[in-house]
Amino acid sequence: KNEVEQSPQNLTAQEGEFITINCSYSVGISALHWLQQHPGGGIVSLFMLSSGKKKHGRLIATINIQEKHSSLHITASHPRDSAVYICAVPHITQGGSEKLVFGKGTKLTVNP
Amino acid sequence: DTEVTQTPKHLVMGMTNKKSLKCEQHMGHRAMYWYKQKAKKPPELMFVYSYEKLSINESVPSRFSPECPNSSLLNLHLHALQPEDSALYLCASSQYPSGRYYEQYFGPGTRLTVT
Repeated sequence: KNEVEQSPQNLTAQEGEFITINCSYSVGISALHWLQQHPGGGIVSLFMLSSGKKKHGRLIATINIQEKHSSLHITASHPRDSAVYICAVPHITQGGSEKLVFGKGTKLTVNP
Repeated sequence: DTEVTQTPKHLVMGMTNKKSLKCEQHMGHRAMYWYKQKAKKPPELMFVYSYEKLSINESVPSRFSPECPNSSLLNLHLHALQPEDSALYLCASSQYPSGRYYEQYFGPGTRLTVT
């Protein structure tokens, strides 16, 4: 079982639709990162959250620490939202350092 | 300035070449990271530098050699690479080396092809 699981793996939507991407994790400390990567591009941090809900523009991220689950919502989706969305959780290594453990990503395609 | 820069953007090298990747940030961040990313896969952590000291090496082959000359600069020296090392190499930085409290800022990456 993967330590960080995302669903769905692929998602196609029509412009204007409401999008939800889910992330569940079995390891990690009580925080979670949502990242966005456009084709061929670098990665942008969208949210880092440890409780409740955060909103930035049309993006909303929620987290339930007890259930180890987070969702990323996109309202009024647009073709420019087409990207891979990755969730990641911090994890303490055996040596006591921290690193991020990544999900496999959700590829979102928004058609006009 | 919230930017992490990486040079070069693209690099093609032979298996006998020696080359270096460079990463720079001027945000005063004390943690810097190298990741390797293959197509359609999430990033894989290679190295973490914390306060200019190597704190994590994810069992990376010695043909990859990281260096942190100062708090703003991170290099990755490459020697005798294999074709399977072809990938996107991403650099990132964070204020401190804790993913619980600090987000990571990623550079645009260097697309490396080993021939």
